Amino acid sequence: DAGVIQSPRHEVTEMGQEVTLRCKPISGHDYLFWYRQTMMRGLELLIYFNNNVPIDDSGMPEDRFSAKMPNASFSTLKIQPSEPRDSAVYFCASSLKRLNNEQFFGPGTRLTVL
Amino acid sequence: AQSVTQPDIHITVSEGASLELRCNYSYGATPYLFWYVQSPGQGLQLLLKYFSGDTLVQGIKGFEAEFKRSQSSFNLRKPSVHWSDAAEYFCAVGISNFGNEKLTFGTGTRLTIIP
Repeated sequence: DAGVIQSPRHEVTEMGQEVTLRCKPISGHDYLFWYRQTMMRGLELLIYFNNNVPIDDSGMPEDRFSAKMPNASFSTLKIQPSEPRDSAVYFCASSLKRLNNEQFFGPGTRLTVL
Repeated sequence: AQSVTQPDIHITVSEGASLELRCNYSYGATPYLFWYVQSPGQGLQLLLKYFSGDTLVQGIKGFEAEFKRSQSSFNLRKPSVHWSDAAEYFCAVGISNFGNEKLTFGTGTRLTIIP
């Protein structure tokens, strides 16, 4: 398996623009997680899905952020409009079945909002 | 709510020396405990995990960790570090609460290896 795939790897955009990050989880994994990593706040869970259904979105910072998982092999995280403080590395991770299984992380998307 | 504390932001160790990275958690019951490693520009990789049973857990790359309930700790150890161990290390606690299952990560410890 190719592991968790994220695209793009790097994104540079201007404030106010819409940004869409994409993730393909490992085939057969039931859970998908979106994290944000910054120097100031560390690694934060934004939202996670179980069987394509959002379970906990309490980490989504504000209404400008939205996430979808239309099928088991694809998820998006959208920021509209983007702001400079959204600059961070965004990770997608997936895991099999329940919590006591390893989360496999993608390589991340480094987002810079100018 | 559960929390994880990694008191050491940055640790420098000589190559070949032993290593211990500290992790303390706060949670009412026995949690799931994990250590992940992140190399520069990479995602996180699982080193080891503890759910139950033997409190000394062996992981990949020669790492081990010991769960101590009385101290609410899950410290990571390695008897002899290699230059390739330079990375950031994250402790995480997992909880399952009424169907809501997720990890909470510590702030990480950056490990520097000197020759």
